[in-house]
Amino acid sequence: AQKITQTQPGMFVQEKEAVTLDCTYDTSDQSYGLFWYKQPSSGEMIFLIYQGSYDEQNATEGRYSLNFQKARKSANLVISASQLGDSAMYFCAMREGAAGANNLFFGTGTRLTVIP
Amino acid sequence: DTGVSQNPRHKITKRGQNVTFRCDPISEHNRLYWYRQTLGQGPEFLTYFQNEAQLEKSRLLSDRFSAERPKGSFSTLEIQRTEQGDSAMYLCASSLAGRVYGYTFGSGTRLTVV
Repeated sequence: AQKITQTQPGMFVQEKEAVTLDCTYDTSDQSYGLFWYKQPSSGEMIFLIYQGSYDEQNATEGRYSLNFQKARKSANLVISASQLGDSAMYFCAMREGAAGANNLFFGTGTRLTVIP
Repeated sequence: DTGVSQNPRHKITKRGQNVTFRCDPISEHNRLYWYRQTLGQGPEFLTYFQNEAQLEKSRLLSDRFSAERPKGSFSTLEIQRTEQGDSAMYLCASSLAGRVYGYTFGSGTRLTVV
């Protein structure tokens, strides 16, 4: 089974509107971390936001917030007040196990296009 | 510190040739990871180092691939006898063991095998 599932290959949003990018995950670990990265056409992976499995509050970083629903195993990214520069690929990722453990598992990504 | 640096940014090679990529992590990071990203997919884990020790290798890392981190600083990824299926973006990331997050990625090396 896929550890990270992103079901939206592409999304469009009007400039200044909010958009939600979906992510579901699959793990049997109690301790894990969820990440969202942005990948512009230049290729680098830019860290956006992190949510630990034991964090009780949803993570927020500026215009980014993570809607963490543990029972549903979902970790959706909400981008508020979209800007043209938000157009990029967005990847959800998961680290299994305790802090400092190994690699990240990535989803297939969602391409976000912001329309002027 | 300017982050994780990868060289070259682009590499075009003929099938059957060997290629080597370099990654310079953030200096205080003791963990270094290699990922491969093919078109339309998310990055897939290849291998990681803690200091100079290679601690895990994915099954994706065939025997044509070898990675080193000789002094626990920069790392190299070599692909021998390249095949067209090796065409991908190769991403390097670094982190500090014990931190809950803080994986920093480089800009990647895009390999095209013709």
